[in-house]
Amino acid sequence: AQSVAQPEDQVNVAEGNPLTVKCTYSVSGNPYLFWYVQYPNRGLQFLLKYITGDNLVKGSYGFEAEFNKSQTSFHLKKPSALVSDSALYFCAVSELYNFNKFYFGSGTKLNVKP
Amino acid sequence: DTGVSQDPRHKITKRGQNVTFRCDPISEHNRLYWYRQTLGQGPEFLTYFQNEAQLEKSRLLSDRFSAERPKGSFSTLEIQRTEQGDSAMYLCASSLNSGNQETQYFGPGTRLLVL
Repeated sequence: AQSVAQPEDQVNVAEGNPLTVKCTYSVSGNPYLFWYVQYPNRGLQFLLKYITGDNLVKGSYGFEAEFNKSQTSFHLKKPSALVSDSALYFCAVSELYNFNKFYFGSGTKLNVKP
Repeated sequence: DTGVSQDPRHKITKRGQNVTFRCDPISEHNRLYWYRQTLGQGPEFLTYFQNEAQLEKSRLLSDRFSAERPKGSFSTLEIQRTEQGDSAMYLCASSLNSGNQETQYFGPGTRLLVL
């Protein structure tokens, strides 16, 4: 069965420090992996995706994510956090040949303190 | 702004009433998805359209739920005889079938509260 785990409900980081939001996945084939961000009372905004190729993917707003096949992980990172990055972050996975359905993790609340 | 719009943004209804939500996808997108998101959880897949054809439905979509996309453009999601457990955010997303992996772009959602 396809699934995504985000082991941390909340991540706290000081502004200017690096941040990491963790995601691990389970799929029966090769995965397509996505990160989305959700601000209060808003829909999900696309940040970045991994399909194939370079394991380090760069996305919007300075975010990047590293695909690690052996650890089945796709952690979201940013070198220097901003207060405005505070939001809810979701990791999602879809299968290579069934990409019409996404499976989302339960979300991680990122708090960036000044 | 992703370009996907949903109406209404909020809906309060009494148990047993019917409600209908509308989603307008990005204009050139031929795929449309409905998800449900409850508090503290990620979105859960409900159903998916390619053009006007409904190609997949989740087990979460009970017979009280029906979705349509009559002309392959906007879509409606109707819930009949609402129950308190239907209270959630209903999200719509769209994508372009390009033969490659597609990014789904989400609307702002419709928040439903069933009293």
